[in-house]
Amino acid sequence: AQKVTQAQTEISVVEKEDVTLDCVYETRDTTYYLFWYKQPPSGELVFLIRRNSFDEQNEISGRYSWNFQKSTSSFNFTITASQVVDSAVYFCALAYGQNFVFGPGTRLSVLP
Amino acid sequence: DGGITQSPKYLFRKEGQNVTLSCEQNLNHDAMYWYRQDPGQGLRLIYYSQIVNDFQKGDIAEGYSVSREKKESFPLTVTSAQKNPTAFYLCASSITQGISYTGELFFGEGSRLTVL
Repeated sequence: AQKVTQAQTEISVVEKEDVTLDCVYETRDTTYYLFWYKQPPSGELVFLIRRNSFDEQNEISGRYSWNFQKSTSSFNFTITASQVVDSAVYFCALAYGQNFVFGPGTRLSVLP
Repeated sequence: DGGITQSPKYLFRKEGQNVTLSCEQNLNHDAMYWYRQDPGQGLRLIYYSQIVNDFQKGDIAEGYSVSREKKESFPLTVTSAQKNPTAFYLCASSITQGISYTGELFFGEGSRLTVL
């Protein structure tokens, strides 16, 4: 069965701290995609990144970075020098074909 | 600008009433989806459609119905048979390019339904 686990329900950090959001997935498929989405208070989910199962290169985009490790079935997301605007719920998702499985989300609060 | 429009943003319903949530996209995407979000839970798939006039049940389709008469539109009806309809509903769309590619989902801003 396909499953995504985000063990951290809520995280609070002070502005400028680094924070890592964990994501562990389960799948028997060899071809799949992993995603991270941000859900700000407005409600709309905003796409952050997509990774396919054959590309384990880590990626950095500004203050955001992602670490994909197939050996541990993890796709962790790090925010460097967090800002108040980073406060949101973050979802990790696994997709195989056109089917998406979402994790329960991690609520990040960045305090000024 | 291209995007997904959901309406209404907030909706109140009395028990026993059916309500329809609207979802319109101008992204020219073939696939459209409806998800339900409850506090502390991930998104759960209600229905999805990969082409006009065709749709499939997701994990929690009971008590819901959809139609896909136009590529741009995928309305969701929450029927009186849905036992616990109070939730946040999200509509999404994506391109489809065969089984070897999975495009990201684009989401609307959601509709919050409250049953009184």
